[in-house]
Amino acid sequence: QVQLAQSGGGLAKPGGSLRLSCAASGFTLSDFYMTWIRLAPGRGLEWVSYISSSGDTIYYTDSVKGRFTHSRDNARNSLYLQMNNLRAEDTGVYYCARDLEAFRFRGWFASWGQGTQVTVSS
Amino acid sequence: QSVLTQPPSVSAAPGQKVTISCSGSSSNVQFNYVSWYQFLPGTAPKLLIYDNNQRPSGIPDRFSGSKSGTTATLGITGLQTGDEADYYCGTWDSSLSTGVFGGGTKVTVL
Repeated sequence: QVQLAQSGGGLAKPGGSLRLSCAASGFTLSDFYMTWIRLAPGRGLEWVSYISSSGDTIYYTDSVKGRFTHSRDNARNSLYLQMNNLRAEDTGVYYCARDLEAFRFRGWFASWGQGTQVTVSS
Repeated sequence: QSVLTQPPSVSAAPGQKVTISCSGSSSNVQFNYVSWYQFLPGTAPKLLIYDNNQRPSGIPDRFSGSKSGTTATLGITGLQTGDEADYYCGTWDSSLSTGVFGGGTKVTVL
């Protein structure tokens, strides 16, 4: 059974840092593109970052470039999002999500983590 | 603010049908595949439809997807109380070179 168990997140001050983790089970993480998606109040759903199965292609939405780092540890079957220099507008629920098909970028998210709340406030 | 436009809410009685529209443009909906997701409180989001009208295994045929021009539509027939959720459409935007979503539609079962 495919599962994505998220951890991390919480409350941070503007300029602070948080690290999100996503532990995969029931499938081989290295076979799939993985994406972080956030649901922000008043702004809806947004692609934050995706990473290829090999890890050699990483996309970031403009608003997080230079501040967020998306990485994967295939040996640990885990995905990470390091978030630095946080801003109030980064507040939201963050989800890790697995692409529909192995070894191919479809941009359809067949499996999702349970979501983790990130709140940036002084 | 969302690139794709959805109605904020739709409602119908149990057993009835609802449709949710997702309006975009030539850079997204018209020439790219559309997907639909269900967000139920307290549960992981679920993929309902991909490639405009394909259902993943395990998704009942009460859920259907279609597309015409720059508008995609999700249909839910035989509405159940368990269908009360937020529904989002998503697709790729060729101009922005990123995935985009709609603002979400809340389905209420009367």
